[in-house]
Amino acid sequence: DARVTQTPRHKVTEMGQEVTMRCQPILGHNTVFWYRQTMMQGLELLAYFRNRAPLDDSGMPKDRFSAEMPDATLATLKIQPSEPRDSAVYFCASGLVRLGTGTGSAGELFFGEGSRLTVL
Amino acid sequence: GNSVTQMEGPVTLSEEAFLTINCTYTATGYPSLFWYVQYPGEGLQLLLKATKADDKGSNKGFEATYRKETTSFHLEKGSVQVSDSAVYFCALSDLSGGSNYKLTFGKGTLLTVNP
Repeated sequence: DARVTQTPRHKVTEMGQEVTMRCQPILGHNTVFWYRQTMMQGLELLAYFRNRAPLDDSGMPKDRFSAEMPDATLATLKIQPSEPRDSAVYFCASGLVRLGTGTGSAGELFFGEGSRLTVL
Repeated sequence: GNSVTQMEGPVTLSEEAFLTINCTYTATGYPSLFWYVQYPGEGLQLLLKATKADDKGSNKGFEATYRKETTSFHLEKGSVQVSDSAVYFCALSDLSGGSNYKLTFGKGTLLTVNP
């Protein structure tokens, strides 16, 4: 049963520490998204990649957040230094977009179970 | 830009009651529309979708019809169960150039169904 795998599931850290969250997308998917979920803001898109290339990271605070895909099986989201306001659940999602036909098959994303981050 | 507005919760119903969660959208292109569901402690999962006007998406007793004239995609279920308790997200994916197919989500509606 293919699924998106995220680690760690839970992370408690102190302000100023570096945090790295990892995501293994579903094999064969060409698009990976990072979302942040909080009670106040709901779901916020932080960054996304297609074929490992970053397409949009406008939702990410550039001074402290970075997102990469070193290879097709791994996406990372790093926060350095972390702050209490970064406390949230971070979701990775992957999907398959078929380009070239003018229609695509976009929209069905498969989400991981999330990484719950608490910054003290 | 694209946006999704859904009714604010929380919504609390008794088992077997009728459910409606309203969703309206604004899009620059011709979007596909989705409902995602998030059960406690889990990630989101696709519930149903519709890709063109007048399409009806359905799954697990839930239905939603793509209404272009009213830019709406309301979620309905005739008889809810306790197991339907979750957060429901309306979303759109604009396939027009420049949007890169990304999903735009509403803020979510918490549904609680009591026995």
